[in-house]
Amino acid sequence: TQLLEQSPQFLSIQEGENLTVYCNSSSVFSSLQWYRQEPGEGPVLLVTVVTGGEVKKLKRLTFQFGDARKDSSLHITAAQPGDTGLYLCAGAKNAGGTSYGKLTFGQGTILTVHP
Amino acid sequence: DTEVTQTPKHLVMGMTNKKSLKCEQHMGHRAMYWYKQKAKKPPELMFVYSYEKLSINESVPSRFSPECPNSSLLNLHLHALQPEDSALYLCASRRNRDHNSPLHFGNGTRLTVT
Repeated sequence: TQLLEQSPQFLSIQEGENLTVYCNSSSVFSSLQWYRQEPGEGPVLLVTVVTGGEVKKLKRLTFQFGDARKDSSLHITAAQPGDTGLYLCAGAKNAGGTSYGKLTFGQGTILTVHP
Repeated sequence: DTEVTQTPKHLVMGMTNKKSLKCEQHMGHRAMYWYKQKAKKPPELMFVYSYEKLSINESVPSRFSPECPNSSLLNLHLHALQPEDSALYLCASRRNRDHNSPLHFGNGTRLTVT
């Protein structure tokens, strides 16, 4: 079983603060996807990182994929109440064409940003 | 707005009822998924259809029965469910079996079993 350990599980911060969410595994993944889910909705893809060492920026969000493709982080600068939600990392692994796109999800980080 | 449409949004059913959840996408995606999600937890994979054929069943109890009538539709038939089956049921699609392509989720059906 490939495990993705995501931390912290809960994060409650004030508007304007910075935060980082981590996703770690002992397994190598071919890519790492980050999703955000708001109450009453399904998860929505934020980014996919594929190359070891890759850094992607999406406005105030910065995503990193570790050099060894075993870990990833999401950093949010100057958090806003609209960032509140469940953040999920998900790892994909190429199982020789038989994986059928099966993702391994982390346990999720529930972020609450207070005004 | 999501491009994966799920109906109904909410469903309350008794343990002896039979009901169906429906999912539709018109993006031409050939892989479709059912996930179960409990509150504040990650989605748990139930079934995967690839090119309208069931390719993964994650040891789901037979009271859940999936069906893929065509490449745009995915159903989940429910019968004799238990209260612990209450959850958010998410449908997702993916362009193909490419493991790096993202999942497109619907907004789910909130199921309550009484």
